[in-house]
Amino acid sequence: KQEVTQIPAALSVPEGENLVLNCSFTDSAIYNLQWFRQDPGKGLTSLLLIQSSQREQTSGRLNASLDKSSGRSTLYIAASQPGDSATYLCAALIKAAGNKLTFGGGTRVLVKP
Amino acid sequence: DTGVSQDPRHKITKRGQNVTFRCDPISEHNRLYWYRQTLGQGPEFLTYFQNEAQLEKSRLLSDRFSAERPKGSFSTLEIQRTEQGDSAMYLCASSLATPRVPGNTIYFGEGSWLTVV
Repeated sequence: KQEVTQIPAALSVPEGENLVLNCSFTDSAIYNLQWFRQDPGKGLTSLLLIQSSQREQTSGRLNASLDKSSGRSTLYIAASQPGDSATYLCAALIKAAGNKLTFGGGTRVLVKP
Repeated sequence: DTGVSQDPRHKITKRGQNVTFRCDPISEHNRLYWYRQTLGQGPEFLTYFQNEAQLEKSRLLSDRFSAERPKGSFSTLEIQRTEQGDSAMYLCASSLATPRVPGNTIYFGEGSWLTVV
């Protein structure tokens, strides 16, 4: 069974600190990996998508890396702000799973002012 | 706003009643997906359509669940004889074509919350 895991489930940091969010997947044969943000009671907002041929993607204060050989992706958020408080989900498009995304359980982030 | 619309956003229903959710994908997208998310968990795949054809269904989609996309545009997800375990957020998503191809990003709607009392 293909699995995507995010540890820790929750994280609290003071404002200004860099955030490091981890995502691991058991099947390294993926097409891509995507990071989403979810605010309470809301849908998913795509943050970054990394193709399997790429090692990282950057957008503003966000940087996501992908290491297929170790089955890991990391989302870095520089200089965190209270507005970054949300749940962050990673999802892999796994070749053996067809056309559906396989999600991790998410990391709930609180950035304290 | 991603362009994927879902209605209603919230629904409270009594156990045993039927409910229907609607999803309007981004207009040129031929793929449409339904996911379910319970509190504190990541979304789980339910089913997906390519145009009007339902190509894959998860084991999670019991006989009480039915999804349609009659004209290849909007989709409906109906839950019959609701149970308390059906309480969740139902997310709809769409993509231009297979997400395996770079550039065919999957876009999610705001979700429809279901509470079964």
